[in-house]
Amino acid sequence: EVQLLEAGGDLAQPGGSLRLSCAASGFTFGTYAMSWVRQAPGKGLEWVSITNSGGDRTYYADSVKGRFTISRDNSKNTLYLQMNSLRAEDTALYSCARVQDCGGACPEDYWGRGTPVTVSS
Amino acid sequence: EIVLTQSPGTLSLSPGERATLSCRASQSVSGRHLAWYQQKPGQAPRLLIYGASSRATGIPDRFSGSGSGTDFTLTISRLEPEDFAVYHCQQYGSPPRTFGQGTKVEIK
Repeated sequence: EVQLLEAGGDLAQPGGSLRLSCAASGFTFGTYAMSWVRQAPGKGLEWVSITNSGGDRTYYADSVKGRFTISRDNSKNTLYLQMNSLRAEDTALYSCARVQDCGGACPEDYWGRGTPVTVSS
Repeated sequence: EIVLTQSPGTLSLSPGERATLSCRASQSVSGRHLAWYQQKPGQAPRLLIYGASSRATGIPDRFSGSGSGTDFTLTISRLEPEDFAVYHCQQYGSPPRTFGQGTKVEIK
């Protein structure tokens, strides 16, 4: 069974930093691309970032580019999101998601339950 | 980036009725790389449809997707009680990936 368990969410000050992690199990982590997606309270889903299976290619939403960094440690089956220069608008539930292996561009097919991040003074 | 607009915002229907949800893109979605997700309160999204019309593993055939270019549709042929939820469309063909704002299907 595919399982994704996020951790690291917390209350942070504007301008502060947090590092989120996502522990994966139930599949061969190192062969799948992975994403981070967030959902602000009462809002829709917002895609944040994606990395390929090897971690050498990454993409970001414009709203987080230059402030967030996605990375992975395939030996630990873990995905990370380093969040710097946090803003109030970054307040959301952050979820990691596995990208389906469908050949070519594929959607996210399994999601974790998320870890909450609150940015406030 | 491609902006996705879902309509209606809320759909009020009764069990057994047909639901038709729309997702319109600000520019053509390459390769029909359009997905639909179902999300219930407190739960993670569940992939329903990918490639605009392919059902994900385990998804009942009452869910169907159609469309291409800029106009896509999710149809639920006969609503079951467990289908009342929020539905999100996503394009994943052109980075950055983007989602629509969601359509809530509620019990009338």
